[in-house]
Amino acid sequence: DAGVIQSPRHEVTEMGQEVTLRCKPISGHDYLFWYRQTMMRGLELLIYFNNNVPIDDSGMPEDRFSAKMPNASFSTLKIQPSEPRDSAVYFCASSLWRGGYTFGSGTRLTVV
Amino acid sequence: QQQVKQSPQSLIVQKGGISIINCAYENTAFDYFPWYQQFPGKGPALLIAIRPDVSEKKEGRFTISFNKSAKQFSLHIMDSQPGDSATYFCAASAGANNLFFGTGTRLTVIP
Repeated sequence: DAGVIQSPRHEVTEMGQEVTLRCKPISGHDYLFWYRQTMMRGLELLIYFNNNVPIDDSGMPEDRFSAKMPNASFSTLKIQPSEPRDSAVYFCASSLWRGGYTFGSGTRLTVV
Repeated sequence: QQQVKQSPQSLIVQKGGISIINCAYENTAFDYFPWYQQFPGKGPALLIAIRPDVSEKKEGRFTISFNKSAKQFSLHIMDSQPGDSATYFCAASAGANNLFFGTGTRLTVIP
């Protein structure tokens, strides 16, 4: 298995633009998580899905953030409009059982 | 509110020494305590995990010590090597599949 695949690896965008981050979980994993990592706040859980259904989105910072999981093999995290303070590394992770997370390599987002 | 408190923030150890990272929690419902290792440019990777029915778990040079009464757990890296230089995260979960992570410890092992 290729692991959790995230794209793009790097994204530089201008403030106000829409940004879409993509994630392909490991086949068969029924949980999917989106995390944001910054030096100041560490790893923050944004939202997680179970069997494609959003379970907890209380970590989504603002209405500018939205996430979808249209099927078991694909999820997106969208920021519209983006702001400089959204600059961070965004990780997607999937798991089959509690605690056994497999993380992707992340998307480094820079909003200028 | 930080559910899992981790210390130290950074740690420098000589090659061959013992690295110790500590974590504490308050939620007594937590029943799964993993440690993750993250190298620069990579996502965190599961290193070792423990459940509260045991006080210690060892895998190679890595050991988790767990103190249920004190609500603390720690990671010990024996014979630390330069290749162990990374950021280490403790985490905890209870019931639902949702891990709470510590703030991370940047370990540097000096040759």
